[in-house]
Amino acid sequence: AQSVAQPEDQVNVAEGNPLTVKCTYSVSGNPYLFWYVQYPNRGLQFLLKYITGDNLVKGSYGFEAEFNKSQTSFHLKKPSALVSDSALYFCAVRALEGYNKLIFGAGTRLAVHP
Amino acid sequence: GAGVSQSPSNKVTEKGKDVELRCDPISGHTALYWYRQSLGQGLEFLIYFQGNSAPDKSGLPSDRFSAERTGGSVSTLTIQRTQQEDSAVYLCASSLVFLIGQGGEETQYFGPGTRLLVL
Repeated sequence: AQSVAQPEDQVNVAEGNPLTVKCTYSVSGNPYLFWYVQYPNRGLQFLLKYITGDNLVKGSYGFEAEFNKSQTSFHLKKPSALVSDSALYFCAVRALEGYNKLIFGAGTRLAVHP
Repeated sequence: GAGVSQSPSNKVTEKGKDVELRCDPISGHTALYWYRQSLGQGLEFLIYFQGNSAPDKSGLPSDRFSAERTGGSVSTLTIQRTQQEDSAVYLCASSLVFLIGQGGEETQYFGPGTRLLVL
């Protein structure tokens, strides 16, 4: 069965420091991986995705993620955090069966402190 | 352009009542998805539409839940005889056509959600 794990409920980082939000997945075959961000009382906003090709994917708002097949990970990163990056982040994998439905991790709350 | 819109943004209802949640996808998106976000269950898939048909209803939690889509556009999720455990945020997403069997992938874009509270 496919699954996504986000091992940290919360990540705290100081503004200006680099940030990493971790994601590991379990899926047979080649994964399609996504990151979404959710601000309070808002829906999910698409950040970036990995389908194939370069393992380093760049997305919106200066975020990037690195696909690591051997470690089955897809960690989200940003070189310099902003207070406005504080939000709930979800990693997701596309289900192999079914019709493009997404399987989400539990989410990681990112808190960036001034 | 306009994104996915959902209405109402908030809904409070009494246990046992029926509710209807509406989703208006991005214009031109033929694929539409409903998800539910709750504290205990996280984000879970409910149903997928391609055009007006729903080839995947595997996530609907019970027969009290149903959904339809008309004109290949607006979708309505109906919950009959609501229960307190139905309280959640219901999210709708849309994407361009997903080509079955061709390994296609289209990014899903989400609406703001409907927050449902069943008293």
